[in-house]
Amino acid sequence: AQSVTQLDSQVPVFEEAPVELRCNYSSSVSVYLFWYVQYPNQGLQLLLKYLSGSTLVESINGFEAEFNKSQTSFHLRKPSVHISDTAEYFCAVSDRGRDDKIIFGKGTRLHILP
Amino acid sequence: KAGVTQTPRYLIKTRGQQVTLSCSPISGHRSVSWYQQTPGQGLQFLFEYFSETQRNKGNFPGRFSGRQFSNSRSEMNVSTLELGDSALYLCASSLGATGPNEQFFGPGTRLTVL
Repeated sequence: AQSVTQLDSQVPVFEEAPVELRCNYSSSVSVYLFWYVQYPNQGLQLLLKYLSGSTLVESINGFEAEFNKSQTSFHLRKPSVHISDTAEYFCAVSDRGRDDKIIFGKGTRLHILP
Repeated sequence: KAGVTQTPRYLIKTRGQQVTLSCSPISGHRSVSWYQQTPGQGLQFLFEYFSETQRNKGNFPGRFSGRQFSNSRSEMNVSTLELGDSALYLCASSLGATGPNEQFFGPGTRLTVL
């Protein structure tokens, strides 16, 4: 069965510094990959997704993630974080051609330090 | 277009009671998924309903049940509440078509069991 591992439960980083949130999934079959963000006291919102094509995907607020099939990873990066990026980030995977059930990682809480 | 709404937003119950949570999906969305979010276990999939039928199910006991109505609105019910059922319950809707479906989340219902 598919599983998702987010190695870091919390990541502290100074404002304007770069950040990488790591995500690995278990199965090497064809997958769809997602990053969701949850701001305090809110539900989850889709940040970006990989369906096919270019392995580098970007969001409108400066985040990007790269699909690496050989390493079964989909790490999320941002070159310069802002205080408003404080949130919990969830990586998720769905196997293509199966029941389309989305499996979520346990989340990484991003703390932006002033 | 209105987003996913969940009612109530907060709920306090005692052990042994039962509870019903409601979710109204985005207009036109036919799939509704339910998740339980706790600090220890992260985001866990409960079940998904599509066109009034349960399409996918997670690994939760039979005390957790759900249903979907013809207008795609969904309810989930938890009977014989336990302290460990205290969590944020999130509902997500999607078009439900074959292939990658972006899920749109509601703000959640925070259930506290005393």
